[in-house]
Amino acid sequence: NAGVTQTPKFQVLKTGQSMTLQCAQDMNHNSMYWYRQDPGMGLRLIYYSASEGTTDKGEVPNGYNVSRLNKREFSLRLESAAPSQTSVYFCASSHPTDRGSPLHFGNGTRLTVT
Amino acid sequence: SQQGEEDPQALSIQEGENATMNCSYKTSINNLQWYRQNSGRGLVHLILIRSNEREKHSGRLRVTLDTSKKSSSLLITASRAADTASYFCATDLISNFGNEKLTFGTGTRLTIIP
Repeated sequence: NAGVTQTPKFQVLKTGQSMTLQCAQDMNHNSMYWYRQDPGMGLRLIYYSASEGTTDKGEVPNGYNVSRLNKREFSLRLESAAPSQTSVYFCASSHPTDRGSPLHFGNGTRLTVT
Repeated sequence: SQQGEEDPQALSIQEGENATMNCSYKTSINNLQWYRQNSGRGLVHLILIRSNEREKHSGRLRVTLDTSKKSSSLLITASRAADTASYFCATDLISNFGNEKLTFGTGTRLTIIP
């Protein structure tokens, strides 16, 4: 039982390049999330998926797209990377039916855009 | 803006002492959660307290919630070197949605000195 798995762990991009961050969970959770973490800013929600087939914007969605490929996988795509997207990205999942259920996080992808 | 703000931003104590961290938030909540983050890792859920609860315990952790003051505290008793980490509060706002409204604070960096 791996929990939430994120790939890659590290990535360096040049401005304008694109990439997809992958996330998979094996806990049969319906809800999945993408957060970014920046120094002094805490975690900010980029996009979330309440269930397979649905996605919605969070607090900071500009410059990102997501795909809920199936119940297990939720990917985050940067179409044209910018230095402001340098951050640590975390994927998380949760049980769908209990209000306030805890989030289960992956170990993050550290992205640098030069 | 951040819903939750932790205080202090950083805290250093001797091993064996108790550590107290505080979280203040701005609007009415459904529940409040505390998470721990070790360096280079994802967040790990510690404890959840609902808006109708005033105190909750889990092992060496004690969480209080004062909805009239919009604040919560996390007490770690008999601290250990392994407790060195960043601690975040997260609030689940009252809404018709689920965890997509979970908003994180900026964290308290706790250092336990052996």
